[in-house]
Amino acid sequence: DTEVTQTPKHLVMGMTNKKSLKCEQHMGHRAMYWYKQKAKKPPELMFVYSYEKLSINESVPSRFSPECPNSSLLNLHLHALQPEDSALYLCASSQGVGEGETQYFGPGTRLLVL
Amino acid sequence: GEDVEQSLFLSVREGDSSVINCTYTDSSSTYLYWYKQEPGAGLQLLTYIFSNMDMKQDQRLTVLLNKKDKHLSLRIADTQTGDSAIYFCAESSGYSTLTFGKGTMLLVSP
Repeated sequence: DTEVTQTPKHLVMGMTNKKSLKCEQHMGHRAMYWYKQKAKKPPELMFVYSYEKLSINESVPSRFSPECPNSSLLNLHLHALQPEDSALYLCASSQGVGEGETQYFGPGTRLLVL
Repeated sequence: GEDVEQSLFLSVREGDSSVINCTYTDSSSTYLYWYKQEPGAGLQLLTYIFSNMDMKQDQRLTVLLNKKDKHLSLRIADTQTGDSAIYFCAESSGYSTLTFGKGTMLLVSP
């Protein structure tokens, strides 16, 4: 089983709302990732968690707040977003964080900020 | 820095072979990946190749790696309309980081 699940599938929010994106995997992977993908562009790495600790933050604005409650779950808390934050948000996981660790992606949450 | 380049568009007829090309600049790349993304969906891992290999075959997919020229290709035999998607080449050469190409849109016509 190489499944990563994400909820919700679609999300529309206003600039004053607070919402959360959820990601789950049951492959025993110890690394989890958030990516942002704009239309017709490749995914851009936002955050990496390794063994439930944040190990990479790619200079993401503080209106995005990641959380890893346990090794199977990854959340992305959203607050005071801007319309330019509208994108597909992808979660991924891998066994570890070493070189060559294959990343498996979820289906994504399509976010629209009005 | 690392850079991965792909052609942006490829159009083929159903039943033909498709070849998607990718070049990369980081000579320390150890793993190279091909991901498929259908409209509105996430990335599906298709295959990967370790840098000490020249070729890898998996059913209809053949990956060729020319490490000297830093050139990677994905050949899809007997291309079907369901293969229409964007194909991303990605290289891994560091801690948890994947460098993606811009993606090649493959359009398969009946």
